[in-house]
Amino acid sequence: NAGVMQNPRHLVRRRGQEARLRCSPMKGHSHVYWYRQLPEEGLKFMVYLQKENIIDESGMPKERFSAEFPKEGPSILRIQQVVRGDSAAYFCASSPEQVLNEQYFGPGTRLTVT
Amino acid sequence: DQQVKQNSPSLSVQEGRISILNCDYTNSMFDYFLWYKKYPAEGPTFLISISSIKDKNEDGRFTVFLNKSAKHLSLHIVPSQPGDSAVYFCAASAGYGQNFVFGPGTRLSVLP
Repeated sequence: NAGVMQNPRHLVRRRGQEARLRCSPMKGHSHVYWYRQLPEEGLKFMVYLQKENIIDESGMPKERFSAEFPKEGPSILRIQQVVRGDSAAYFCASSPEQVLNEQYFGPGTRLTVT
Repeated sequence: DQQVKQNSPSLSVQEGRISILNCDYTNSMFDYFLWYKKYPAEGPTFLISISSIKDKNEDGRFTVFLNKSAKHLSLHIVPSQPGDSAVYFCAASAGYGQNFVFGPGTRLSVLP
C-alpha cells in the first residue's frame, strides 16, 4: 500500500507565475489536508478536503490560493501569482473515513520563489 | 497567537538516557494530541497519540503524559537512540475530524 504521494518534490517559480502542487492520498483515504511549513516554524493548517468538497479552508489565504480534490485524480493546491513569501514546504496528509484523527503525511513539496 | 507551544527549539541527549520533550497549549477545547517525528526532506510520521480522557499512553520506548489542568503534555523516549534524532512536533485538535494545530517543533539530537 503506497503512502501519500506528492509531486513535484521541488518546484521553483519566478514571482508572478503559478504553482501547482499535487497530492495523491493513500489508497482508501478520502480526506486530504494541506499544511504549510515556513522556515523555522511548525506546520500550519491550510485546508481540509473530502472528495469534491472543501470542508474547512480557514487556514488558507483568501487570495491567490485555491485547492481542489476531484472525484478522480489527485488533490491540487494552486497558488497564483506567487510571491517570495510563498516559499515554503507544503505537506499533504490523508486520513481514512473511519479514523479522521489518523493523518498520514506525504514527503512534501518544497516551493522556492525567485 | 500560538495555541500550541514547544518552548525548547532544540535538545541534546546522550544515547541510552531519557529524552523529554515538552508541549504546552492554550486552547481548553483541545482534546486529542499527537506527536509526530520528522526527518529532513521527509514528511512527518505519526509517533503516538493521547486523548483527553487519559493521562498517559505508552508505546514501546515512547510514552506521552498529559496534564490537562496545566495544559501540558510531554513525550518521554527511553532509552534514547541516535536514530531518534529528528524534529518532534506536538499537535492538538479540538474534536474528532477537526484540523490539527501544530507546535513549532523541537529538534532532538541523540549523541552516541
